[in-house]
Amino acid sequence: QKEVEQDPGPLSVPEGAIVSLNCTYSNSAFQYFMWYRQYSRKGPELLMYTYSSGNKEDGRFTAQVDKSSKYISLFIRDSQPSDSATYLCAMRSGDYKLSFGAGTTVTVRA
Amino acid sequence: DARVTQTPRHKVTEMGQEVTMRCQPILGHNTVFWYRQTMMQGLELLAYFRNRAPLDDSGMPKDRFSAEMPDATLATLKIQPSEPRDSAVYFCASGYTGVETQYFGPGTRLLVL
Repeated sequence: QKEVEQDPGPLSVPEGAIVSLNCTYSNSAFQYFMWYRQYSRKGPELLMYTYSSGNKEDGRFTAQVDKSSKYISLFIRDSQPSDSATYLCAMRSGDYKLSFGAGTTVTVRA
Repeated sequence: DARVTQTPRHKVTEMGQEVTMRCQPILGHNTVFWYRQTMMQGLELLAYFRNRAPLDDSGMPKDRFSAEMPDATLATLKIQPSEPRDSAVYFCASGYTGVETQYFGPGTRLLVL
């Protein structure tokens, strides 16, 4: 079993819908949680970063962390075709080594 | 617009050949990461450098992979000899110690026949 589990999808939604993505993990030492967005044939880029449990909002994006359930989520409100990408969750306990999820491929239909 | 650059962007080679991938981190960054991405395994860390010193290469097959930073503007990842199972996209990323964001390059797509 992998340290970080993420449903690879694919997920297809109409424009304007809410996109809901999530990851579960097994390592209780993880404290730092991230979401990366990766467009086709590009490198990942950091989208959201949260420390410990709680919510963080940035524009149309909301990241949630529930450490008691070892579960993290990313919500995208008012989704746009430009949000079509693969979203990877990542987390770490120490100072640099990230453990990534497999990535969920999202398509937002115009 | 500062970016991580990687060369070559694409590489097709035959099994047994040496492959060298190069990365130019963003000027001023002091951490460099090498990752490998495959459909089966996802994104895996191969090596980590801080201030040009290799701190972690536990993700690399030691017998065939090597990573170096000959200077602050160049990081290299070498595979010798290459095998078909090395086919993947190899990403370089750079950043600052203590700052969360890692900036990824565009990747090198490697196909070993």
